[in-house]
Amino acid sequence: QVQLVQSGAEVKKPGASVKVSCKASGYTFTSYGISWVRQAPGQGLEWMGWISSYTGDTKYAQRLQGRVTMTTDTSTRTAYMELRSLRSDDTAMYYCARDGRFIANLNWLDPWGQGTLVTVSS
Amino acid sequence: EIVMTQSPATLSVSPGEGATLSCRASQSVSSNLAWYQQKPGQTPRLLIYGASTRATGIPPRFSGSGSGTEFTLTITSLQSEDFAVYYCQHYNSWPLTFGGGTKVEIK
Repeated sequence: QVQLVQSGAEVKKPGASVKVSCKASGYTFTSYGISWVRQAPGQGLEWMGWISSYTGDTKYAQRLQGRVTMTTDTSTRTAYMELRSLRSDDTAMYYCARDGRFIANLNWLDPWGQGTLVTVSS
Repeated sequence: EIVMTQSPATLSVSPGEGATLSCRASQSVSSNLAWYQQKPGQTPRLLIYGASTRATGIPPRFSGSGSGTEFTLTITSLQSEDFAVYYCQHYNSWPLTFGGGTKVEIK
């Protein structure tokens, strides 16, 4: 079955960087893009950006431009999200999620990874 | 960016009753609208895409309708496992955006 498995929880100091991984299985990796979505404690869902696993093209949320980079490694079927210059308000659960449609931009998201908790604290 | 507004923020419903959740887009998103369910401590789960198509394995008591700027998620005869937070999300253009969520709680 289609599955996304994310890396484990991270604790970082303000100003540091974090890189979260998302390993895919059960489908042709390069046929579907990956979005990253985060959720601060007790809050709603915030879309962070998207990467095409086929071309490497990316789209980022404007408020994160310059601090976030999304990449993929097709040899290991893994997507990565790096967030730099961390602040306390970056504390959140970070999810990867696969595009709902085969080789298409602009999608619903299904399925989702299990989430990675990133805590930013001095 | 397109702003998605969900109402109400909280809906109190008795088990067995129905619930109607609303989602409004700040500009037309055609039928490019999805609904997700999230239970406490769990990952969001896709319920509906294309405004009205149920995802695989989603029971028929969940239905979606609407197009353009006004959308509705209807849950008939709520079961105990349906008490959760529901989010809408458009995928008509970049950036993708989510509504703020509607919490369906037990009355």
